[in-house]
Amino acid sequence: EDKVVQSPLSLVVHEGDTVTLNCSYEVTNFRSLLWYKQEKKAPTFLFMLTSSGIEKKSGRLSSILDKKELFSILNITATQTGDSAIYLCAVEFPNQFYFGTGTSLTVIP
Amino acid sequence: DSGVTQTPKHLITATGQRVTLRCSPRSGDLSVYWYQQSLDQGLQFLIQYYNGEERAKGNILERFSAQQFPDLHSELNLSSLELGDSALYFCASSVTDLNSPLHFGNGTRLTVT
Repeated sequence: EDKVVQSPLSLVVHEGDTVTLNCSYEVTNFRSLLWYKQEKKAPTFLFMLTSSGIEKKSGRLSSILDKKELFSILNITATQTGDSAIYLCAVEFPNQFYFGTGTSLTVIP
Repeated sequence: DSGVTQTPKHLITATGQRVTLRCSPRSGDLSVYWYQQSLDQGLQFLIQYYNGEERAKGNILERFSAQQFPDLHSELNLSSLELGDSALYFCASSVTDLNSPLHFGNGTRLTVT
């Protein structure tokens, strides 16, 4: 049973494009939703979202959570080749984080 | 660099053997999590420790065990290894076990031949 579902599975875009990655979840009463970027090795932390409707931004990346509709999106504007990675979404419960299988993003020069 | 250190980076061993993976959390982090990542299954939660105590278990096989020591480093022991245990094993740490993001080590790639 998948608690966290990410879409699309894979995405190929050209440099400069804007992309939207989706994360939907089937559970309620979670503590937070997190986004990670995984290149060759360790996932690196991007955002932690705890409140619905409040956008978090870091440079060209932004994310928002909708607790009513049970989803989150990660936006990347003006994509660069360095954005190529797998983007993981996770939902935090007491003592556990459930991860989605990720969206693979490839940015072509 | 996340500050989480995992050793070894790579491990190749034969079926039936036993291995130990080691993790040093970031300075100040009390909570340690172990995850298994294989190509077809994504990140699967194995077990979590907080300040030396086991707090949660996920899909961890009985052949696997872990512990967190007083200095907060953790070890994951895998025994009677099977081909299907080949995967990337990540350790992650967080400050507390509430509303703290995980910070991952670079993982140990285990290959069972």
